[in-house]
Amino acid sequence: DSGVTQTPKHLITATGQRVTLRCSPRSGDLSVYWYQQSLDQGLQFLIQYYNGEERAKGNILERFSAQQFPDLHSELNLSSLELGDSALYFCASSPRLADTGELFFGEGSRLTVL
Amino acid sequence: QKEVEQDPGPLSVPEGAIVSLNCTYSNSAFQYFMWYRQYSRKGPELLMYTYSSGNKEDGRFTAQVDKSSKYISLFIRDSQPSDSATYLCAMSSVGGAGSYQLTFGKGTKLSVIP
Repeated sequence: DSGVTQTPKHLITATGQRVTLRCSPRSGDLSVYWYQQSLDQGLQFLIQYYNGEERAKGNILERFSAQQFPDLHSELNLSSLELGDSALYFCASSPRLADTGELFFGEGSRLTVL
Repeated sequence: QKEVEQDPGPLSVPEGAIVSLNCTYSNSAFQYFMWYRQYSRKGPELLMYTYSSGNKEDGRFTAQVDKSSKYISLFIRDSQPSDSATYLCAMSSVGGAGSYQLTFGKGTKLSVIP
């Protein structure tokens, strides 16, 4: 158990809808990362927050947004969903801003868009 | 050319075999090199972490980095059925605002047959 909690574990929704994925980082970790994993693209970095502030952005679509709250939990909002958004979404956390690679991943939220 | 290339496999070996997993990369800015292991329906977990060229050993696992050839390897000795998982190489470089960004390979699926 990594200590990172993600909900929901599974989500099935229709095209055009909006969903919110939630992540609770490990106790004491200030950085939260969101990744998308699909069969063809592998694990793709979406966005990083550190202590409530956005610090790095990857290949995140404009239809997607995220935030980190004062209690350090984070939410990833996906809107106007398309079939291609079906994927595993992982949250990861680490203690510091500039961690060189040791991230602790949750078990992921599997999103299916029909 | 993708920044990180990894053969997706699948790779199937008999129990006790030596396994060699490899990644190549093109970005000279990568400074830190990692191997993550991902069991089915789980999040990735850090297995090995290296910084400099050379070998690093941890039990049955050896990570090798050759920065001049932009090539990293993971060797598993005396492979066990419990090693059956997807292995992802990952590399990090300094991103924006002092953070580090991880770039993952697509992963190699390994099956160790009893």
